[in-house]
Amino acid sequence: GQNIDQPTEMTATEGAIVQINCTYQTSGFNGLFWYQQHAGEAPTFLSYNVLDGLEEKGRFSSFLSRSKGYSYLLLKELQMKDSASYLCAGPTSGTYKYIFGTGTRLKVLA
Amino acid sequence: AAGVIQSPRHLIKEKRETATLKCYPIPRHDTVYWYQQGPGQDPQFLISFYEKMQSDKGSIPDRFSAQQFSDYHSELNMSSLELGDSALYFCASSLMATSTEQFFGPGTRLTVL
Repeated sequence: GQNIDQPTEMTATEGAIVQINCTYQTSGFNGLFWYQQHAGEAPTFLSYNVLDGLEEKGRFSSFLSRSKGYSYLLLKELQMKDSASYLCAGPTSGTYKYIFGTGTRLKVLA
Repeated sequence: AAGVIQSPRHLIKEKRETATLKCYPIPRHDTVYWYQQGPGQDPQFLISFYEKMQSDKGSIPDRFSAQQFSDYHSELNMSSLELGDSALYFCASSLMATSTEQFFGPGTRLTVL
């Protein structure tokens, strides 16, 4: 199957670090994307991992282990504006449609 | 930089009516994807087109149809609307040859009364 699982909700404090995990059970994904989505708005691209390892981009880093079907998004120096849903998505091989995870709603508290 | 354009942004329809949603991909992008996102849910893939041909089909009801035109814009036609069709409908585009990254439009919020 092509299931992607994430925690439903997380809460963290402004200035802290938070790690959002994503596990998947599929053989048909071509890497893994992370998107941020504010309520009622379009998902916006954060990162893409096609190979194993860590990709760092400013305050955001993403890690992928293909053999373990595991990825995480690391957000550092949290800001109030980081309160949003974070979606991991696997582009399927061939047509590249996204299978989205359940999404993690992150609340950043002052 | 040009982004994906969707119209209308908001649409209110009655049950059993029809609706047409339009999507204009980023210039030179050859692939269009449609997603449906219900309240509090993750986006669900509906259908995609590559070079004006349907490339994949997801959980799209038979009441819905879509096509991609010669100028690469796409339309999602929805008939016999049901209350459960109320959702955000996102269109995304990509350039298949160079990247799997999809760029999402702002979405059309459809409300069926």
